[in-house]
Amino acid sequence: QSALTQPPSASGSPGQSVTISCTGTSSDVGDYNYVSWYQQHPDKAPKLMIYEVSKRPSGVPDRFSGSKSGNTASLTVSGLQAEDEADYYCSSYAGSNNYVFGTGTKVTVL
Amino acid sequence: QVQLQESGPGLVKPSQTLSLTCTVSGGSIRSSAYYWSWIRQHPGEGLEWIGYIYYTGSTYYNPSLKSRVTISVDTSKNQFSLKLSSVTAADTAVYYCARIYDSSGCFDYWGQGTRVTVSS
Repeated sequence: QSALTQPPSASGSPGQSVTISCTGTSSDVGDYNYVSWYQQHPDKAPKLMIYEVSKRPSGVPDRFSGSKSGNTASLTVSGLQAEDEADYYCSSYAGSNNYVFGTGTKVTVL
Repeated sequence: QVQLQESGPGLVKPSQTLSLTCTVSGGSIRSSAYYWSWIRQHPGEGLEWIGYIYYTGSTYYNPSLKSRVTISVDTSKNQFSLKLSSVTAADTAVYYCARIYDSSGCFDYWGQGTRVTVSS
C-alpha cells in the first residue's frame, strides 16, 4: 500500500486557520471512516488529535477539527497558536488488517 | 492512564535481528478492545506502520516487512515484542509501540520511542 499524500508544509499567522489535506484511495480513506490525525513535536512521540474522521479525544482543544470528502480527509486548526507548530500525520485503516500513514505536513506558525 | 515503554538495544549490527519490547502499564494487555502495534520513523521522515498483535497472539503485518517481522505477546508480563530480522542500515529508525483502539481504528496511546541504529 502507498502512503497517504499530504502537503509537505502549511503555515498561518497566530489566530488564523490552516487546513491540511490527506489524500488516499477508494481502498483506504474513501472506504473507511477510520481516519485519524496525529501531532508530533520535535523529538516527541505522536499524539492522537482526531479519530474516526472528526472525533476529538478528551483534552484536545476544539480548535482542531476533521472532515472527509471522498478519498480526501482534512484537518483544520483554527485560531492558530504557537504551540500548534508541529508535524501532523494522518492515518487510515486500509482494509485486510492493514493501516497506512500519511507523508506528513509541517505546520509553521508565522 | 495507560503508559507504554519501549526497551531494547540501541545499536544492532547489519544482518542481525533487531529485538524490542514494549511494556504496558496502567491497563491490561488482555483487554478485548485493543490491539498492540509497532510503528517506526526513519530519520527526518514519516511514520511507517510495522504490524500489530492481539492478546490472543493473532498478528497482522505490513506486507512490505512481513517476511522479516515477528511480533509476539507475553500476557503474564503485560508486554509485547518486535523482532526484525536481517537488518540493514535502512532499518535505522525510531521505533514506537502504540495501542490501537479497535473500534475506532486509531493509535490512541504511544510509547516515547526508542532509537535503533544499524551499524557495524
